Amino acid sequence: DADVTQTPRNRITKTGKRIMLECSQTKGHDRMYWYRQDPGLGLRLIYYSFDVKDINKGEISDGYSVSRQAQAKFSLSLESAIPNQTALYFCASAGGSSGANVLTFGAGSRLTVL
Amino acid sequence: TQLLEQSPQFLSIQEGENLTVYCNSSSVFSSLQWYRQEPGEGPVLLVTVVTGGEVKKLKRLTFQFGDARKDSSLHITAAQPGDTGLYLCAGAGGGSNYKLTFGKGTLLTVNP
Repeated sequence: DADVTQTPRNRITKTGKRIMLECSQTKGHDRMYWYRQDPGLGLRLIYYSFDVKDINKGEISDGYSVSRQAQAKFSLSLESAIPNQTALYFCASAGGSSGANVLTFGAGSRLTVL
Repeated sequence: TQLLEQSPQFLSIQEGENLTVYCNSSSVFSSLQWYRQEPGEGPVLLVTVVTGGEVKKLKRLTFQFGDARKDSSLHITAAQPGDTGLYLCAGAGGGSNYKLTFGKGTLLTVNP
């Protein structure tokens, strides 16, 4: 099984619908992240969480919300999806307090908003 | 906001050629990482560099961190089709070592 699992892997929805992307990790990491990837724009940070009671906005949080249900689970919600939220979404986790912050990524969730 | 500029954005070469990818910033980073991403998958860490001037080698890949910790390069010797992928640099710093800033990536295609 993958260390970081994202569901669904692919989703097509319509404008105005509520969407939830789920992420779970088996690494025992305390830090979790949601990134969005668009062609030519790289990976942009949406939200991040350093532990269960900690939620922080990233550079592009508008239109998104998150929930850290447990140390291993971090979900991303789009309350009312719009077409420019069509993108590839990645969840990642990291742990430990020494050295660099190495991220373990999931395989991605491709979202299409019509 | 810390920014990382990667160049080139696209690179298409023949098997056996050498190449270098650059990652530059005006900001100082406490560490810098290189990831490789293949289609349908998430990025996977290749290397982390933390000391200015540091050079790390991973088989045919050589990574260098600039003396001032503002830039990095990835050099691939004798590229192979299996090296094809999106190469991303990511820097940590700016008050939080736990929040990475990513470059936009270099899409490398190695043709047989």
